[in-house]
This record gives sequence, structure tokens and C-alpha cells, in this order.
Amino acid sequence: AQSVSQHNHHVILSEAASLELGCNYSYGGTVNLFWYVQYPGQHLQLLLKYFSGDPLVKGIKGFEAEFIKSKFSFNLRKPSVQWSDTAEYFCAVKTLTTDSWGKLQFGAGTQVVVTP
Amino acid sequence: SQTIHQWPATLVQPVGSPLSLECTVEGTSNPNLYWYRQAAGRGLQLLFYSVGIGQISSEVPQNLSASRPQDRQFILSSKKLLLSDSGFYLCAWRGKTDTQYFGPGTRLTVL
Repeated sequence: AQSVSQHNHHVILSEAASLELGCNYSYGGTVNLFWYVQYPGQHLQLLLKYFSGDPLVKGIKGFEAEFIKSKFSFNLRKPSVQWSDTAEYFCAVKTLTTDSWGKLQFGAGTQVVVTP
Repeated sequence: SQTIHQWPATLVQPVGSPLSLECTVEGTSNPNLYWYRQAAGRGLQLLFYSVGIGQISSEVPQNLSASRPQDRQFILSSKKLLLSDSGFYLCAWRGKTDTQYFGPGTRLTVL
């Protein structure tokens, strides 16, 4: 069965530090990849997505992610975090099979806390 | 623009009581709809999805059920709640580019 792994469950860092969150998936076929973010008290919302083309994708709020097919990875990065980046981050994968019906498989999430 | 509503926002129920959570979508027709449960440290678990009225697929066997009585209405139910049903329940709809858009969620506590 397919799975999505996020390596860190909790990350604490200071403002201006760089952030990288790991995401690996286990599926050998074509995938669509997503990062979602849930700020405290807010809806889960899309941060960025990769479907095809340039493996380095840029999202909102200065986030970017790189798809490395050979490593089955889609790591999220931000060069300099702000206190407002405190949130829970979820990686999600959609496999492109005929019966997937758009279903997403999510990782367990990473809680990021940015201290002033 | 499309919006998605869920209610109630929070719910505290005793073990063995019934459950009904409602999700409605506005601004789109015949969307794919999804119910997820979010448990701490376990991410989002897909419970049910629906591609149309009356069409429900279950991802995980459990004492929950789902129904879609109208095009833009998706209901999550249980006849008898268990302690393990506690969690944060999210409804989502699928946009054109496979992106899923989530509702505000319902926090369910079973005591």
C-alpha cells in the first residue's frame, strides 16, 4: 500500500532560521504532490503543489518544494521563517491511477513552532 | 467563488450516542466530496468519498457511515459512538486541478 512519511513530527526554530521539512512517499507510478498548511484556528489550506514540469515549485508565503523522483521525495523549504509560519504542515500524494477518484494520502504532519 | 461549510464546529457526545455531521458546498456542482479524520500525530485519514448523489465509498471499516442526499451535501453519521471516534473531522471538495479544499472542521469529543 502507498504511504507518505514526514520525518519530523515537531520542529522548533527561531525567526530567520531556514526550514526544511522532509516528505517521502512509496509509490512507483506517476504522482501529484501537495503541501498543505494549517495555521492555528484556521482551515487547512494549500501551500503548493507539483503536477509536472519544473521539479522546483514555488508556493505562497515564500515556500518552495523540490520533487526528486529518484528519491521519492518532495521536501518543503523556506530560507527564512517568520513567527507567522507557526503551523502544522502536511504532505499529501495523489497517485494517478484510473480509480483514484482524486483521493489524497496524507503524511502525519509536522508541527512547526517559530520562536521570536 | 466556492465555499464549504461544516457544522457543528464542536460537539461533545457520550459513548453510545448517535452522530450526524453535515458538510455543504456552495458555488460548484457535482463535486467529489471527502470526509477525513485528523488525529494528533496521525495526519489526515480518509474515511469516505463520494463522486455523486447516493454514491459513497468507504476507505476504512468502522462504525461510521456517510450519505450524500443532495449534490452538495455530505453527511457523516454513526448509530453508536465509540471513544475512539473522537477527533477532528474535515470535509473537502475536489477542485479542477485535483486540489482539495477543506472546510473548517468539526471537533468531536466522545466521553
